[in-house]
Amino acid sequence: GAGVSQSPRYKVAKRGQDVALRCDPISGHVSLFWYQQALGQGPEFLTYFQNEAQLDKSGLPSDRFFAERPEGSVSTLKIQRTQQEDSAVYLCASSLAPGRGWTEAFFGQGTRLTVV
Amino acid sequence: GQQLNQSPQSMFIQEGEDVSMNCTSSSIFNTWLWYKQDPGEGPVLLIALYKAGELTSNGRLTAQFGITRKDSFLNISASIPSDVGIYFCAGLFKGDMRFGAGTRLTVKP
Repeated sequence: GAGVSQSPRYKVAKRGQDVALRCDPISGHVSLFWYQQALGQGPEFLTYFQNEAQLDKSGLPSDRFFAERPEGSVSTLKIQRTQQEDSAVYLCASSLAPGRGWTEAFFGQGTRLTVV
Repeated sequence: GQQLNQSPQSMFIQEGEDVSMNCTSSSIFNTWLWYKQDPGEGPVLLIALYKAGELTSNGRLTAQFGITRKDSFLNISASIPSDVGIYFCAGLFKGDMRFGAGTRLTVKP
C-alpha cells in the first residue's frame, strides 16, 4: 500500500478482554517497529522485527503483550487480559532498511486503545 | 520513561512569529530526529541530523545537532497556521531511539 496501515483505528475493550492490533507495513519494508504512546507523551519503544524475526522485545511492558510477524509482512500486537494502564495509542512504523534505519521509517496513524 | 527533556511543553504564538524548541539529554546520541504529529496521525519526520554541530534546514525549519551530542534544537521561522501540532525530538544511539515528551504548538491567526 501507499503507507503504513493500522487497524482498527479505535478499540474500546473491557478490562480483562484480549485485543489484537494489526499493522500492514509498506510493501517490501524489512523493518517493523511497535511503539506505545500514552496521552501527552512521546512514543515509547515496544518491539522490533526484521522480516519475520523479532530481534528486540525489550520494551514490551509485561508478558501480557505479544507481537508476531509470521511472514515478514503484516504484524499483530496482542494484549491479553487488558488493564486500564494499557490505554494508549499504539503506533506501528516500517522501514525499507534492515536494522534501525530510522530516517527511512514511516509511521501509521495508530490504534487508539481505551480500556474501560 | 522518557530520557529526553524537551521544552517548552507548549507554545502559543502569533502567525508570522518565529519558534524555537529544544531537547536535552544526559545521554549521547548519534542521530537526532525531529518529528511533527498532527491529531489522530502518526509522527512524520521533518529533519534528521547525523553529526555533532550539523545545522540542517528544510524550508522554514532549521535544526541543529549540539556539539556535545546531548542536545538539539528546532527553529520554525515565520509560523503559519498549519504549523500547529506536536513536535517531538528523538535521539538515536545504536538503534535505540528515545522520544521527548513533545512541544505542543498553537498558532493564532
